[in-house]
Amino acid sequence: QLQLQESGPGLVKPSETLSLTCTVSGGSISSSSYYWGWIRQPPGKGLEWIGSIYYSGSTYYNPSLKSRVTISVDTSKNQFSLKLSSVTAADTAVYYCAKETHDFWFDPWGQGTLVTVSS
Amino acid sequence: QSVLTQPPSVSGAPGQRVTISCTGSSSNIGAGYDVHWYQQLPGTAPKLLIYGNSNRPSGVPDRFSGSKSGTSASLAITGLQAEDEADYYCQSYDSSLSGSKVFGTGTKVTVL
Repeated sequence: QLQLQESGPGLVKPSETLSLTCTVSGGSISSSSYYWGWIRQPPGKGLEWIGSIYYSGSTYYNPSLKSRVTISVDTSKNQFSLKLSSVTAADTAVYYCAKETHDFWFDPWGQGTLVTVSS
Repeated sequence: QSVLTQPPSVSGAPGQRVTISCTGSSSNIGAGYDVHWYQQLPGTAPKLLIYGNSNRPSGVPDRFSGSKSGTSASLAITGLQAEDEADYYCQSYDSSLSGSKVFGTGTKVTVL
């Protein structure tokens, strides 16, 4: 059974770079059938897609975040990562990683990790 | 930034039927892209509930059903149960936003 787990600092200072890693277990991240995505949810608010990556390294980003986002993949570790630069309090959210199908739905999701931007 | 609009809340008594609408536009649902639905129980990650407009993943009760027409989609819950109290989100693809996946604004379902 495929499982995803987010990891990274829970507190980031304003203007710095948020860095998270998603570790995939129970399956290979190199499967040609899927993309791997990041989604976030500010406290008490809705879901926002951040971006997705294919195992080959092809990336697709939310236009509203594109200038600050980098998603990468490490197939040797079965992991993919998110970097979000120049963070502000508005980037405080629970960050989820998820498997994305070629028909654009997300399943399964990781449990999520809360990242707070504060000095 | 949500381009898919849902009612903020719906409620119903146990056993009743409730529906949640998801209204998009000609660049997402109206363009023929599929709609997917997620259930988010309090304090947990979203869980896929419906994919491809009307398909249920294994393990999802048949009380949940989805449909799509024109620029809108709907999720119906029949025989509402207490454990259905959660937030529900629709999701699709939008061709006008550089290949963005877009989520609905979310609907809180309350079981009275």
